[in-house]
Amino acid sequence: DGGITQSPKYLFRKEGQNVTLSCEQNLNHDAMYWYRQDPGQGLRLIYYSQIVNDFQKGDIAEGYSVSREKKESFPLTVTSAQKNPTAFYLCASSIGILGTEAFFGQGTRLTVV
Amino acid sequence: AQTVTQSQPEMSVQEAETVTLSCTYDTSESDYYLFWYKQPPSRQMILVIRQEAYKQQNATENRFSVNFQKAAKSFSLKISDSQLGDAAMYFCAYGRETSGSRLTFGEGTQLTVNP
Repeated sequence: DGGITQSPKYLFRKEGQNVTLSCEQNLNHDAMYWYRQDPGQGLRLIYYSQIVNDFQKGDIAEGYSVSREKKESFPLTVTSAQKNPTAFYLCASSIGILGTEAFFGQGTRLTVV
Repeated sequence: AQTVTQSQPEMSVQEAETVTLSCTYDTSESDYYLFWYKQPPSRQMILVIRQEAYKQQNATENRFSVNFQKAAKSFSLKISDSQLGDAAMYFCAYGRETSGSRLTFGEGTQLTVNP
């Protein structure tokens, strides 16, 4: 079945550590996105990529990094520079053309302990 | 920057009744798209309905319809014959021509359906 797979579902990180969230899609989509979801704030865009080997900062990119070496994969690294990393992270993909549907993964809940 | 506002953090409706969720947005663009996404307790985001700004006709998908008022920058979602499975967080989202398909989301409205 085609879709987006995020792993792990739950992730715990100690303060000061970097952690990488995985996002893989087999929909042959060009565009991929990372959103952060906090209670009462909806979804905020962290980074997005419209083509392999290219990506742009979203609205809240500070403390995060990404790579897009393969069309299918768009991992997100939460670095120690991210001051408040505890949140729910959603990965999405789309064909990349305005107006087309974005498909979402099931999310990763990151907790800093 | 574009903003999307959902002024109703929570709404409730009786099963089989109709409910309307509000959304307003701010933009200087003329070409854009608007979306309603649903996030049930599983937290899987699901597209409910989509509206192209250049279309005057309001979009409908079965029991879901929108009231798109371009001049007022308003985009409300009407759910008819509400079902228990409609209970979820609903997000309004905006996408503009110059940003490809990246979306700006509102804060969400938590919908409860009472049996």
